[in-house]
Amino acid sequence: AQTVTQSQPEMSVQEAETVTLSCTYDTSESDYYLFWYKQPPSRQMILVIRQEAYKQQNATENRFSVNFQKAAKSFSLKISDSQLGDAAMYFCAYRSNYQLIWGAGTKLIIKP
Amino acid sequence: DAGVTQSPTHLIKTRGQQVTLRCSPKSGHDTVSWYQQALGQGPQFIFQYYEEEERQRGNFPDRFSGHQFPNYSSELNVNALLLGDSALYLCASSRGTVYGYTFGSGTRLTVV
Repeated sequence: AQTVTQSQPEMSVQEAETVTLSCTYDTSESDYYLFWYKQPPSRQMILVIRQEAYKQQNATENRFSVNFQKAAKSFSLKISDSQLGDAAMYFCAYRSNYQLIWGAGTKLIIKP
Repeated sequence: DAGVTQSPTHLIKTRGQQVTLRCSPKSGHDTVSWYQQALGQGPQFIFQYYEEEERQRGNFPDRFSGHQFPNYSSELNVNALLLGDSALYLCASSRGTVYGYTFGSGTRLTVV
């Protein structure tokens, strides 16, 4: 069965600095999708970035980028120029058939 | 453009009671998924509805049931509530399964 592991329960970063959140997953599939979602106190899950496993190029969305290492089954999220509004829970998710399998989340704290 | 709408936002029920949660998907989306998120954890997949049929189900007992209507909106029903059913219930909609899912802000269910 597929599993997703986020080993950092909490991370903190100074405003305007760069932070990297880690995620590893386990799967026997060769084609799949990976996601990072942000969950602020408003509770709504907001899609940050998506990566297709068949694409070698790492996905980027403005200040957010991923380091996708397929062989190592690693999918880390890099946030550049951190802003106060980035403070939230961040979840890594793997799409298996029709469901998303989620990690336990990383709480990101931004220090002003 | 309305996103995913869930109602109610908060709910308190007594053990043994039944509850119905509602979800209206984002305009243009035809697929609805339900997730249960216990405090401090990542979401767990309950089931997904497409074309008014349950397409995939997670590891949840039969007390959890659902329905999708012709307008793509959906209901989640939970019978014989247990204290352990207390959680945030998230609804996610999508157009097919290739793209990311759009989430609502959830319904916070407390069972006392």
